Amino acid sequence: KAGVTQTPRYLIKTRGQQVTLSCSPISGHRSVSWYQQTPGQGLQFLFEYFSETQRNKGNFPGRFSGRQFSNSRSEMNVSTLELGDSALYLCASSLVEVSTDTQYFGPGTRLTVL
Amino acid sequence: DAKTTQPPSMDCAEGRAANLPCNHSTISGNEYVYWYRQIHSQGPQYIIHGLKNNETNEMASLIITEDRKSSTLILPHATLRDTAVYYCIVKSRGTASKLTFGTGTRLQVTL
Repeated sequence: KAGVTQTPRYLIKTRGQQVTLSCSPISGHRSVSWYQQTPGQGLQFLFEYFSETQRNKGNFPGRFSGRQFSNSRSEMNVSTLELGDSALYLCASSLVEVSTDTQYFGPGTRLTVL
Repeated sequence: DAKTTQPPSMDCAEGRAANLPCNHSTISGNEYVYWYRQIHSQGPQYIIHGLKNNETNEMASLIITEDRKSSTLILPHATLRDTAVYYCIVKSRGTASKLTFGTGTRLQVTL
């Protein structure tokens, strides 16, 4: 079974621009979570989508948003990019059943804001 | 979710067992212990999880103390490819899937 895929793998943007990152979960997984990883703050939870609904959100400004499609694929968008948004953005998917809700991560998208 | 404490770094000789400790003294009854690792700039890789019984899979063993306040991840025969940051995370299941990562343990496997 294919793992979590993220596109693009690398991205360079300038301040003020916006960016959209994509995540395709493992087949059959209905939950997609997004995380941001920076050297200073470590891995931080952004938000989680399940059945096209956001059901959990981390402490990030409204410039960070996401959505999930009916096929469970998810996108996250960052508007008005700032230098501090440079990070590795990770997506994780899970089955979300009581018996098993282990999250499996994709390879990440490395975003550089200049 | 309960907080975890891990040593910042550890060394292990290749071929030897790597024992990575984790303290989670405030763990509650419905919280599981999860272990992930992250090799430089890659996505975290799931290793193993457990509730109260010891667990073993093809990657590692997880030993949880009887009072559940601490656990140890064991890599039985460490190789250079096991060099990574290892994260111990405590989370209840069947709830919103937020994982709270600490700073982890940087394991360096050497020849």
